[in-house]
Amino acid sequence: DAKTTQPPSMDCAEGRAANLPCNHSTISGNEYVYWYRQIHSQGPQYIIHGLKNNETNEMASLIITEDRKSSTLILPHATLRDTAVYYCIVRVDLGKSTFGDGTTLTVKP
Amino acid sequence: ETGVTQSPTHLIKTRGQQVTLRCSSQSGHNTVSWYQQALGQGPQFIFQYYREEENGRGNFPPRFSGLQFPNYSSELNVNALELDDSALYLCASSLGTVETQYFGPGTRLLVL
Repeated sequence: DAKTTQPPSMDCAEGRAANLPCNHSTISGNEYVYWYRQIHSQGPQYIIHGLKNNETNEMASLIITEDRKSSTLILPHATLRDTAVYYCIVRVDLGKSTFGDGTTLTVKP
Repeated sequence: ETGVTQSPTHLIKTRGQQVTLRCSSQSGHNTVSWYQQALGQGPQFIFQYYREEENGRGNFPPRFSGLQFPNYSSELNVNALELDDSALYLCASSLGTVETQYFGPGTRLLVL
């Protein structure tokens, strides 16, 4: 598996965009980038995933660099309910992935 | 809501006992994966079941075992419980082994 590196914590003002970075410099060509988040004591929630093209859905946007060695998850208008731990996982077979420690995002009023 | 349910929500056991946790997958999903999440850490992969067969296992001892039924629901069994087994146990279902996983709410196990 490609190893991922995320900052342990970030703050964001409510209503502003939250940009969460992830480094995965050893990613292989067939490995996807997945993002999940976990709100305190709940099960992880799927956000978005991509292979090499940028992706957008109703929750977020995923920007993957051209060399695929890093990516950024963008929450365009963060709300207090977006406060959570955000996990970046890089793996072909997500079912056997082990999550790292993620980034704790705190959205402040 | 992901459609993945787990039972029970909370459980207290004593060291040496055995426990069975249950997971009902999302409709149509044939793959279930189990994870252990200790306090303050990310989920750690235990094993995965695909169409009733084990399809990969993480670094967990044999006293962690599982089962998947024809309706694709699943059980996680842990024998000879240890204090360090105290954790949130998560199951996730998917349409296949490489498809997006959807997690249940978890079962919080406390071993005293």
